[in-house]
Amino acid sequence: AQSVTQLGSHVSVSEGALVLLRCNYSSSVPPYLFWYVQYPNQGLQLLLKYTSAATLVKGINGFEAEFKKSETSFHLTKPSAHMSDAAEYFCAGLMNRDDKIIFGKGTRLHILP
Amino acid sequence: DVKVTQSSRYLVKRTGEKVFLECVQDMDHENMFWYRQDPGLGLRLIYFSYDVKMKEKGDIPEGYSVSREKKERFSLILESASTNQTSMYLCASSLYLGDRVAREQYFGPGTRLTVT
Repeated sequence: AQSVTQLGSHVSVSEGALVLLRCNYSSSVPPYLFWYVQYPNQGLQLLLKYTSAATLVKGINGFEAEFKKSETSFHLTKPSAHMSDAAEYFCAGLMNRDDKIIFGKGTRLHILP
Repeated sequence: DVKVTQSSRYLVKRTGEKVFLECVQDMDHENMFWYRQDPGLGLRLIYFSYDVKMKEKGDIPEGYSVSREKKERFSLILESASTNQTSMYLCASSLYLGDRVAREQYFGPGTRLTVT
């Protein structure tokens, strides 16, 4: 079955530390993958997307993600966390010919001062 | 920029009421979606639509219906609201670009519905 799994429903990092949010997928066809961010009481905003053009994808706000087919992963990273990065992050995949995106359950990122 | 708007940010309704949640997008997108978001469960797809007057059931359609009379507007209807429909409802839209193209979805700000 096709799925997107985010490891860790809550992640805490210190301000200035590396941010690493994990996402693994299961798909029978090469997927398109996305990371979205949701700030409190707002909708989801696209951070970045993987479209098979390049395995390392850069997004907004200093985030990037690397597609690793051998590990079926698409982890999100940022070298130095900022207080404003505190939010919920969703990994998502488009794996069929239809337009239904499969979302992970989300990871809430906490930034410690 | 794509803009997706939802008619209300917060809504309180009573059990048994008929509830309409409206969503409008201004970028001529073919595809529109309704999700509900609950803590620990992520986003779950309720209904989606690929075109005017078309609708497809998502993963949790029970207790909901939808209407798409115009391309830019997609309405979610709770025929008889129940307390277990208390949730955050998110609308999204995306452009149809042909098969196997990465079509990201654009989201509205959400409607937090409370049914008492």
